[in-house]
Amino acid sequence: GAGVSQSPSNKVTEKGKDVELRCDPISGHTALYWYRQSLGQGLEFLIYFQGNSAPDKSGLPSDRFSAERTGGSVSTLTIQRTQQEDSAVYLCASSKQVDSGQPQHFGDGTRLSIL
Amino acid sequence: DAKTTQPTSMDCAEGRAANLPCNHSTISGNEYVYWYRQIHSQGPQYIIHGLKNNETNEMASLIITEDRKSSTLILPHATLRDTAVYYCIVRPFTGGGNKLTFGTGTQLKVEL
Repeated sequence: GAGVSQSPSNKVTEKGKDVELRCDPISGHTALYWYRQSLGQGLEFLIYFQGNSAPDKSGLPSDRFSAERTGGSVSTLTIQRTQQEDSAVYLCASSKQVDSGQPQHFGDGTRLSIL
Repeated sequence: DAKTTQPTSMDCAEGRAANLPCNHSTISGNEYVYWYRQIHSQGPQYIIHGLKNNETNEMASLIITEDRKSSTLILPHATLRDTAVYYCIVRPFTGGGNKLTFGTGTQLKVEL
């Protein structure tokens, strides 16, 4: 079946602009996760959803970052007033359930570049 | 989650088996071993996981020692497309939280 789909695959924008990143999880997966990966760095956990609820938002780097999920499916990560340090690859993953030990399956990410 | 130790890099000839070791000497009884890999410019890809029995799927085999303190991921016939960073992760099957943490992994280079 189809894997996790993310769009756009690449995004270049000017500092100060808002960006919206989209994630379409594997069908039937109730858990959805957002990470980011900076050049040469490891994964930085941002937020997860169980259904449409995000119980823990503490991983979001600042209040410029927000995420939502509707219909228990597609999720959107929004970054307002982008800064150069926001440049990274933003990865989305999904799994059958939260905290179940079920493996997380990743999309190929959105490569965000802030000029 | 228990700490894992992997070699920084390994080379393998195409067509040969690639055997990637992982040490997890502090693993707890409720922790599973997971393997992921990340090919350049792609997202991490789940490969396989196991508790104590050896596991095999279409991608790889996972051999876990009887004391569970180490494991080996085996790619039976490595191809150039298997060149990637391979990550060994140990985490509880339940109650492990939702954050995946990757270490530095093993850079596997498959060559002709």
